[in-house]
Amino acid sequence: DTGVSQNPRHKITKRGQNVTFRCDPISEHNRLYWYRQTLGQGPEFLTYFQNEAQLEKSRLLSDRFSAERPKGSFSTLEIQRTEQGDSAMYLCASSIDSFSSGNTIYFGEGSWLTVV
Amino acid sequence: GQSLEQPSEVTAVEGAIVQINCTYQTSGFYGLSWYQQHDGGAPTFLSYNGLDGLEETGRFSSFLSRSDSYGYLLLQELQMKDSASYFCAVRYNFNKFYFGSGTKLNVKP
Repeated sequence: DTGVSQNPRHKITKRGQNVTFRCDPISEHNRLYWYRQTLGQGPEFLTYFQNEAQLEKSRLLSDRFSAERPKGSFSTLEIQRTEQGDSAMYLCASSIDSFSSGNTIYFGEGSWLTVV
Repeated sequence: GQSLEQPSEVTAVEGAIVQINCTYQTSGFYGLSWYQQHDGGAPTFLSYNGLDGLEETGRFSSFLSRSDSYGYLLLQELQMKDSASYFCAVRYNFNKFYFGSGTKLNVKP
């Protein structure tokens, strides 16, 4: 078990371009979360999946953001027509769907996005 | 909605004890977690309280009072490597997690 894996770790893109981030959760985890974090702030919820179903999206998530989790395994987060305000670290986390073991969500190392 | 309050910054000396408080307003509350994050790194899980009382894990302890909507993280025998940001996070509606803005802990020699 290698933990939650995210790539790319860093991405610099020009405003208006599309970017896609990938997350591979811990293998037995059926819940997957995406968060965004800016400097000096805590992780901010974007969306989460139970298996392949996207159960909730934050109101902060504009129509330019889309996330998928085909087959309930890895997930992708795409940002279309990037804006400078999208510059942040995008964190993926996973967890087991249970009352006790689901207390903990495990984060990946994050994908840093810089929009220039 | 959810809200969390924790101090933005705390400074302590090596070897000392420090307490980081967290108050919350949450509907559908299940429990309170604590995460540590070093600069440039990912948040890592420290502890979780689902019931009132104290949980101890090595040098770290965490406390929860559900009636007061309050918890704290206690770090003992501070080491330089403990310099990091510490986030409290509420688990609510069974499988959702809301994070505070974090407390930056500066440990001085």
